[in-house]
Amino acid sequence: KQEVTQIPAALSVPEGENLVLNCSFTDSAIYNLQWFRQDPGKGLTSLLLIQSSQREQTSGRLNASLDKSSGRSTLYIAASQPGDSATYLCAANLYGGATNKLIFGTGTLLAVQP
Amino acid sequence: DGGITQSPKYLFRKEGQNVTLSCEQNLNHDAMYWYRQDPGQGLRLIYYSQIVNDFQKGDIAEGYSVSREKKESFPLTVTSAQKNPTAFYLCASSPKGQARAEAFFGQGTRLTVV
Repeated sequence: KQEVTQIPAALSVPEGENLVLNCSFTDSAIYNLQWFRQDPGKGLTSLLLIQSSQREQTSGRLNASLDKSSGRSTLYIAASQPGDSATYLCAANLYGGATNKLIFGTGTLLAVQP
Repeated sequence: DGGITQSPKYLFRKEGQNVTLSCEQNLNHDAMYWYRQDPGQGLRLIYYSQIVNDFQKGDIAEGYSVSREKKESFPLTVTSAQKNPTAFYLCASSPKGQARAEAFFGQGTRLTVV
């Protein structure tokens, strides 16, 4: 059974710092891994989708890496800003039939202090 | 604007009542999903549908029911059989048959039992 773990559960950093969020999964047979952002009381916003054939994906100040063999993905945030404060979720995509099935981690709550 | 709309944003249910959560998408996606989010836990899959008039149980389907009469709509009914319905409910969609596709989420409905 696929399990997804995110460490740390919470992180507080001063503004301007670079930071790394970690995501690990137990079954390397995934199609892709998706990183989401969730603001309090809101839905999920997709940040980056990294396919199993890719090693990394970049969008602005965000960079996601994927190492299937070790069952790990990281989300790197450069030059953090207070507006980056949110919960970050990773989800491993298990392909079952013709439908994606996402297995979620419990998230990392990020606070960027001004 | 393309996207997923969930309504209502907040919903209150009395003991023994059935309530229905709405999810509409205009992304022309075939696959739709319902997830439940509880504090300290990852999102858990309730039901999913790959095509109109077809749906499958997810990991925690007991006490819930769905219908898929139109491609754009996938309502979730929380029945009186669901003993602990207080949670944040999220609807998502993705293109069918595209395992490498990105999943998109709505803004969620918070259900509270009173």
